[in-house]
Amino acid sequence: GAVVSQHPSRVICKSGTSVKIECRSLDFQATTMFWYRQFPKQSLMLMATSNEGSKATYEQGVEKDKFLINHASLTLSTLTVTSAHPEDSSFYICSAPLWDGGAGDEQYFGPGTRLTVT
Amino acid sequence: GNSVTQMEGPVTLSEEAFLTINCTYTATGYPSLFWYVQYPGEGLQLLLKATKADDKGSNKGFEATYRKETTSFHLEKGSVQVSDSAVYFCALWGGSNYKLTFGKGTLLTVNP
Repeated sequence: GAVVSQHPSRVICKSGTSVKIECRSLDFQATTMFWYRQFPKQSLMLMATSNEGSKATYEQGVEKDKFLINHASLTLSTLTVTSAHPEDSSFYICSAPLWDGGAGDEQYFGPGTRLTVT
Repeated sequence: GNSVTQMEGPVTLSEEAFLTINCTYTATGYPSLFWYVQYPGEGLQLLLKATKADDKGSNKGFEATYRKETTSFHLEKGSVQVSDSAVYFCALWGGSNYKLTFGKGTLLTVNP
């Protein structure tokens, strides 16, 4: 099956610094990727849709200047949390749909990145 | 807009018990419906899906039937195992937009 990887799996950073999280589709191309945020014991909140070759589309209430998304290639999207603060601590998950002409709505998820801001 | 409502947890069962996790949805058109599972410390994995009314998705002994008349997609398993302990998310794709809309998740704990 399709595989999506994320790097790093865990990161601890100091308040005020920036952190970059990578999301890669390993065996398929993804023109679209999605970034989610998951708070403890809660559901996934869609943050933004990453589009290869164009600007990301952000959900209402998500600061695009704080959460920078770059879809550099058909297999890589990055999320940069700029000037991180403790309230940005969370589990960040990416996903990519496998557009195989049939089940194009089937999403494959990365294993997630645990961000802790101290 | 789209929305998914699933049974509040946590759910605690003994091994070999019957499991039902309720899920209902609101959407326009004909969305696809999914159950995802998240094991401790891991990302989400697709458990099963159904793309049209009356379809039954099944995997690893879990089943769910797409019921358009009741806008439901309840997850069932006849005999749970300790290894089924995880958080289960009901989700839909399509309807009024092409994004995954998740329910809040249900934590299942199965005791030996």
